[in-house]
Amino acid sequence: AQSVTQPDIHITVSEGASLELRCNYSYGATPYLFWYVQSPGQGLQLLLKYFSGDTLVQGIKGFEAEFKRSQSSFNLRKPSVHWSDAAEYFCAVGARGANNLFFGTGTRLTVIP
Amino acid sequence: NAGVTQTPKFQVLKTGQSMTLQCAQDMNHEYMSWYRQDPGMGLRLIHYSVGAGITDQGEVPNGYNVSRSTTEDFPLRLLSAAPSQTSVYFCASRLQGANEQFFGPGTRLTVL
Repeated sequence: AQSVTQPDIHITVSEGASLELRCNYSYGATPYLFWYVQSPGQGLQLLLKYFSGDTLVQGIKGFEAEFKRSQSSFNLRKPSVHWSDAAEYFCAVGARGANNLFFGTGTRLTVIP
Repeated sequence: NAGVTQTPKFQVLKTGQSMTLQCAQDMNHEYMSWYRQDPGMGLRLIHYSVGAGITDQGEVPNGYNVSRSTTEDFPLRLLSAAPSQTSVYFCASRLQGANEQFFGPGTRLTVL
């Protein structure tokens, strides 16, 4: 069965600190992996995606994610968090051309000064 | 390009009322879909369409109808609203064969 697990419901970090958001997936086919960000009252914006190739992918806003097949993980990282990064982050998995993306339940990030 | 647009942004309905959530995209994307977002459950696929005249059910289709008469528009209809349909609804689109979906800003629906 396809599923995405984001084990951290809420994370609080200080501005300037590093960040890692965890994502584990279960998927029967070769996974295409995504991280989306949702600011309050807004839609979802794509941060980055992994289809194949280099397992470390760079995204927008200084985010990166590393695909680890052996651990079925796709964790999102940022070396120095900014107050504007406060939002909800969703990990999603799909397959090439598949009609459905499976989303995790999200991790809410709070940034304190 | 406006991207994916949704109207209305907010809506309150009484149980049993009907309404249509509008979604439009100007990117000539063949694929369009509707998701609902509920607390602690992420986004779940309601219905999707791979082109004009073609629709299919997603993970949670009950209580919703869709049609796709044009490439641009993909309305979601609630024929008889129920409190369980209180949610935030997102429309998304992508090119057929691509994997990156573009999401609209969402419609927050409350059913009393």
